Order: sequence, then structure tokens, then C-alpha cells
Amino acid sequence: EAGVAQSPRYKIIEKRQSVAFWCNPISGHATLYWYQQILGQGPKLLIQFQNNGVVDDSQLPKDRFSAERLKGVDSTLKIQPAKLEDSAVYLCASSFVRVMGEQFFGPGTRLTVL
Amino acid sequence: AQKVTQAQTEISVVEKEDVTLDCVYETRDTTYYLFWYKQPPSGELVFLIRRNSFDEQNEISGRYSWNFQKSTSSFNFTITASQVVDSAVYFCALTKAAGNKLTFGGGTRVLVKP
Repeated sequence: EAGVAQSPRYKIIEKRQSVAFWCNPISGHATLYWYQQILGQGPKLLIQFQNNGVVDDSQLPKDRFSAERLKGVDSTLKIQPAKLEDSAVYLCASSFVRVMGEQFFGPGTRLTVL
Repeated sequence: AQKVTQAQTEISVVEKEDVTLDCVYETRDTTYYLFWYKQPPSGELVFLIRRNSFDEQNEISGRYSWNFQKSTSSFNFTITASQVVDSAVYFCALTKAAGNKLTFGGGTRVLVKP
């Protein structure tokens, strides 16, 4: 079974530029999550999708971050414009809700904002 | 609100020693799930163990064991006979129900020296 795929793995941009990350969850997983992990901290949820609907985006900075999950499969997370404090690893995870909440994580995208 | 605290930021041991990681959580929910994840240098979060709030039986799985005590809101994790490959950051996490977001602790870095 293929795991959660993410691209790119690394991205370096200058502040005020825009950037987009892509995630392909495990086949059949209805729930998709985007987490932000700042260096030295635990991951923090940005947004959660159930199929193509948003379940929780309470911690998403909506003035600059946006996310979508078209057709309930792949998802993209966008930052526009980026700030220095957005430097972090962005982790995508998916889960098959019926199974005890276990989330499977992708390798992450490491973003550096200069 | 949920909160997870991992008081130990870094633990260093010599190979074959046992390592115990502490985790204390806060939640108002009566039903919840606790997890331990491992994050090796590659960055991908790897699921290790899960425990639900209504089952306080402690178990052993290979070299991993855990001690869940509801009375003290603790969910400690032990690696027996540590190996160099166990070197990673370990995260304790909490969710109130299957399919909901994970609230992570700050992580404990484990360094196993040969």
C-alpha cells in the first residue's frame, strides 16, 4: 500500500512570495489533515478535510493561507504572501475514519522563507 | 481545550539501556485516544502505539511498552534495550475521537549512543 505522498520536499522562497504544497493521501482515506511543524515543536493542525469538505480550519491563518481538496482526493495548501515565521515543515496526513483515528503522515515539505 | 506536555526535551542513553518517556495530558473529554509517534531524522512521523481512555491495561509490544494511568493523566512510553536506530524525536499525542485532529506534545529527542 502506497503511503501519503507530498511534493515538493523542500522549498526556499523570499518573503512576500507565494508557494503551494501538494498532498496525495492513502487511497480510500476520507480524512486529510495539514499540520505545520515549526522547528523544535510538535505539529499543529492547520486544516482538516472530510472528503472535500472542511471539518476544522480554526487555526488556519486565513488572511494568507488557503487549502482545497478537489474531488475528495488530492489537496493543495497555499501561502500568499509568505512571512518569515512561516518557515516550517508542512505535514500532510490521512486517516480512514472508521479505524480508531490513526493518522498516517507523509514525509513533509520543508519551507524556508528568507 | 486539550493539552499534552512532554517535560523531557532530550534524553541521551547508551545502547541497550532502557528509555522511559514521560507524557502528561489534559482533556475534559471522557472518551479520548492517546498515541505515541516517532519522528526519525528523515522527518516522517511514524505511528507506534495507541491507547483509548477506557482501557487502562498496560501492554508490551516487542521492545515497546506503555504505562497509562488515568488517575494522573499520564501515558508514559518505554523502549527496552535501546538501539542506535531508536534515535529520533518521540511525540505523545491526544485526540478526542477517531478522525479528529491530534494535539501533540513538544516532543522528546532520544539519542542512543553505541
